[in-house]
Amino acid sequence: DADVTQTPRNRITKTGKRIMLECSQTKGHDRMYWYRQDPGLGLRLIYYSFDVKDINKGEISDGYSVSRQAQAKFSLSLESAIPNQTALYFCATSADRDGSYEQYFGPGTRLTVT
Amino acid sequence: AQSVTQLDSHVSVSEGTPVLLRCNYSSSYSPSLFWYVQHPNKGLQLLLKYTSAATLVKGINGFEAEFKKSETSFHLTKPSAHMSDAAEYFCVVRVPGGGADGLTFGKGTHLIIQP
Repeated sequence: DADVTQTPRNRITKTGKRIMLECSQTKGHDRMYWYRQDPGLGLRLIYYSFDVKDINKGEISDGYSVSRQAQAKFSLSLESAIPNQTALYFCATSADRDGSYEQYFGPGTRLTVT
Repeated sequence: AQSVTQLDSHVSVSEGTPVLLRCNYSSSYSPSLFWYVQHPNKGLQLLLKYTSAATLVKGINGFEAEFKKSETSFHLTKPSAHMSDAAEYFCVVRVPGGGADGLTFGKGTHLIIQP
């Protein structure tokens, strides 16, 4: 089984709808992240969480919110989806062990907003 | 501030020939550097990492990278390309003390393998 899972894997929604993307991990890591990927732009950080009570905005948090329901679960919400939020979304986890900060990624959620 | 530049958005090589994917970084501090690979419809997977130990780093699938401080480079190489190497590759720099572990991602290099 995959260590970092994301649901759904694909989603098409309409402008103005609320949508939630979910991420679960079995790696036992404290740190979790949400990124979006757009062609030619690489990955950009939306939100990150170092533990259940710690939530931080990333580079592009406007229009998004998150919830860290448990150590293993980190959800991303789009309160009112707009077409320029069409992208590939990745969840990642890491643990501050050995100072490496290596991140482990889920398979991604492809979101289309029409 | 730190940044990372992947010098080629696309690289095309023939199967069996060497691969070179170029990455330059800027950082005021001693960085950690990573290369990730993304195969179609998959998440990112760590290929290798440099964390101030040996400057020549060996990774999975025959890839390696050399940290050159004087050139601020961390180029990824492989002696002989295989069709399964076709993917998107990301160079990542980390500087201690930055938010969210201080990671900055490059924009990616798409590697195409010609038969």
